[in-house]
Amino acid sequence: AQSVTQLDSQVPVFEEAPVELRCNYSSSVSVYLFWYVQYPNQGLQLLLKYLSGSTLVKGINGFEAEFNKSQTSFHLRKPSVHISDTAEYFCAVSPLGAGGYNKLIFGAGTRLAVHP
Amino acid sequence: GAVVSQHPSWVICKSGTSVKIECRSLDFQATTMFWYRQFPKQSLMLMATSNEGSKATYEQGVEKDKFLINHASLTLSTLTVTSAHPEDSSFYICSASKVEQYFGPGTRLTVT
Repeated sequence: AQSVTQLDSQVPVFEEAPVELRCNYSSSVSVYLFWYVQYPNQGLQLLLKYLSGSTLVKGINGFEAEFNKSQTSFHLRKPSVHISDTAEYFCAVSPLGAGGYNKLIFGAGTRLAVHP
Repeated sequence: GAVVSQHPSWVICKSGTSVKIECRSLDFQATTMFWYRQFPKQSLMLMATSNEGSKATYEQGVEKDKFLINHASLTLSTLTVTSAHPEDSSFYICSASKVEQYFGPGTRLTVT
């Protein structure tokens, strides 16, 4: 079984400041890792994913994340946030298997609030 | 590419009635579609996995007779909430998979 822990339920930050949203996971098998963003009353948009290879993954909107296998973490970072980054961010894992990423297990989410 | 739509985006129904939510993959064929439920300020909870042409697989604790899922084609899955009650009020999100999951914009259901 897999589980995902997002360590902060809310992260307030000022505009143009850096931000890190933390994610740890637990799994008995290897997993793929994802970060999604959800704007109010909308579905989820994929920010980035780690499948294999380089542990530093770059995504859309200037976000990046680093996979740390020993610490089972996949923290999301952005060097300078904008007001428009205010949203809910979800970390998710999917166990490796044939046929693709066919089961996503989500963390509880982190609310990023960017203030002017 | 990989656009998923949901209809309706918002629906209000009276307690005891049924409501159908559609999920469509607009520009790709999806052999697998997923239905999630999201309560306010909470994460997504997988309700069921739907494969085209076969019965849906429901997660533990999800009533299959209450949440009817039909996946009649490679581009359409429907979720019918039968005999809806106020506690069924929630945000329902579908996703369609071609290896990776692509999410719809969600449907907000309010049962009065």
